[in-house]
Amino acid sequence: AQSVTQPDIHITVSEGASLELRCNYSYGATPYLFWYVQSPGQGLQLLLKYFSGDTLVQGIKGFEAEFKRSQSSFNLRKPSVHWSDAAEYFCAVGAYGGATNKLIFGTGTLLAVQP
Amino acid sequence: DTEVTQTPKHLVMGMTNKKSLKCEQHMGHRAMYWYKQKAKKPPELMFVYSYEKLSINESVPSRFSPECPNSSLLNLHLHALQPEDSALYLCASSQGGRLNTEAFFGQGTRLTVV
Repeated sequence: AQSVTQPDIHITVSEGASLELRCNYSYGATPYLFWYVQSPGQGLQLLLKYFSGDTLVQGIKGFEAEFKRSQSSFNLRKPSVHWSDAAEYFCAVGAYGGATNKLIFGTGTLLAVQP
Repeated sequence: DTEVTQTPKHLVMGMTNKKSLKCEQHMGHRAMYWYKQKAKKPPELMFVYSYEKLSINESVPSRFSPECPNSSLLNLHLHALQPEDSALYLCASSQGGRLNTEAFFGQGTRLTVV
């Protein structure tokens, strides 16, 4: 069955430090992968996506992610974190749902940013 | 316009009330979704409409009743809810039901059942 694992429930980084959020997926075919960000009480905003091609994808707000098929990973990175990046981050994989496809989300990683 | 608009933003209802959540998009998307999200949890899929037909119901209790009046609108009718149904309800849309399409989410309706 398809699944997404985010091993880190909570991460705290200092402002200006680099960030890496981990995501591992389980999917039999070519995965379609997404990273979403959610500020408290808000909806989800797409940061970036991977469908095919270059395994390093660039997203909004200075984020990037690297797809590594051998490790079944799609980790999110940012070289220098800003206080406004504090939020919940969800990794997701597009999965067959029968008549219509659907997103399967990881459990999320809550990012706190220290001044 | 890449917006999914949900109304109301907040809703408090009693267990005997009937209320509806509304969702609208004007991106020409043909797949629309309802998700339920409890605090500190990921969104859980409830329903999917594809081309205005219900294509996925994730075994949701009948006190939640979805409706898709046209390709731009999605409603969720609520009746006889329980306090444990209190959550953030998110609507999303995508171009179709293909795997390689991104979903756009609304800001959600914060529902409290008292």
